[in-house]
Amino acid sequence: DTGVSQDPRHKITKRGQNVTFRCDPISEHNRLYWYRQTLGQGPEFLTYFQNEAQLEKSRLLSDRFSAERPKGSFSTLEIQRTEQGDSAMYLCASSLEQDGKETQYFGPGTRLLVL
Amino acid sequence: KQEVTQIPAALSVPEGENLVLNCSFTDSAIYNLQWFRQDPGKGLTSLLLIQSSQREQTSGRLNASLDKSSGRSTLYIAASQPGDSATYLCAVRRDDKIIFGKGTRLHILP
Repeated sequence: DTGVSQDPRHKITKRGQNVTFRCDPISEHNRLYWYRQTLGQGPEFLTYFQNEAQLEKSRLLSDRFSAERPKGSFSTLEIQRTEQGDSAMYLCASSLEQDGKETQYFGPGTRLLVL
Repeated sequence: KQEVTQIPAALSVPEGENLVLNCSFTDSAIYNLQWFRQDPGKGLTSLLLIQSSQREQTSGRLNASLDKSSGRSTLYIAASQPGDSATYLCAVRRDDKIIFGKGTRLHILP
């Protein structure tokens, strides 16, 4: 399977704990995006990387959130001191920007439940 | 601030009918517009991407149009099938930001 993969697919944690999610993009893709989606809503942009550089961060990404893409390949999203409001589906997408054209390919998501 | 609206929020149609899903956006200075499909509890699947310079894109039974000046896009699905049941999302891109609508939940009745 050469699509975008995310791990874990599901995570249940207690309030106050730290969690880390991983995204493996399509191998030749230079851009990687993180989104958050709650029930009945569209995905909300969190941040994105061009290779290893983090180029944009949403105001939704509080100080408790951090994302990395150390070698320009896989990425991690960490949430520190989780709150119940962090419960959501966290989606990763990757793309290859060429000649001004870009299509995003999404992973299956990580569903987080904070108790 | 860019806002993306999709109407209706939900739609049920009998199998075999043609249908149109609507997407509107408030800021016409977009780079592109993309339509996605999302099955319950799953990630998104890209259906069609329309660059800002284009008017429409077609793939199989799907046709998406874009009217930037009026801030509208439509997704036309011909000869609907039960397998088309899903949530359909549109997303507009400006600079490095991508803004999604809330989606239209489509149910095709067998």
